[in-house]
Amino acid sequence: AQTVTQSQPEMSVQEAETVTLSCTYDTSESNYYLFWYKQPPSRQMILVIRQEAYKQQNATENRFSVNFQKAAKSFSLKISDSQLGDTAMYFCAFMKQTSGTYKYIFGTGTRLKVLA
Amino acid sequence: SAVISQKPSRDICQRGTSLTIQCQVDSQVTMMFWYRQQPGQSLTLIATANQGSEATYESGFVIDKFPISRPNLTFSTLTVSNLSPEDSSIYLCSVGQGPPSPYEQYFGPGTRLTVT
Repeated sequence: AQTVTQSQPEMSVQEAETVTLSCTYDTSESNYYLFWYKQPPSRQMILVIRQEAYKQQNATENRFSVNFQKAAKSFSLKISDSQLGDTAMYFCAFMKQTSGTYKYIFGTGTRLKVLA
Repeated sequence: SAVISQKPSRDICQRGTSLTIQCQVDSQVTMMFWYRQQPGQSLTLIATANQGSEATYESGFVIDKFPISRPNLTFSTLTVSNLSPEDSSIYLCSVGQGPPSPYEQYFGPGTRLTVT
């Protein structure tokens, strides 16, 4: 069964600094998708970034980038130039295809606090 | 991305009663999902809401407790029946396009349920 592990329950970073959130997963599949979602205190889940497993190039979205290591089954999120608005829970998710549909398996989350 | 609304945003219910949560999307979508997020925890998939047929439930969730309807491609309801304090959670609706697609999911704002 697929599992997603986020080993850092809480992290903090100074405003304008860079922080990396870790995520590892376990799967026997070769083609899959990985995602990072952000959940601010308002609780609205927001998609941050997506990575297709067949792509070797790491995904980037403005200040957010990933370090995807397929062999190591690692998918970390780097936030550059951290802003106060980045304070949120961050969830890593693995997309699993099942019988013509798909579903997500979420990690336990990392609570990130950006300090002024 | 789709705009998703949920009603109610929060409710306080007595044990033994039921609560029906509505999820409305501003465009037609292939996939609709219902999640539960217990306080401070990650997201757990309850079921995939299938248009015109019975929902597909995850292990540990049953139709008698969580009946789901999906009459069309823009609307779904989740009922939490015979409420107990253990049902106190945030319930989230999400939507996505089926394969082939980027497999992204977009989430509603959630419904916070408190059972007394």
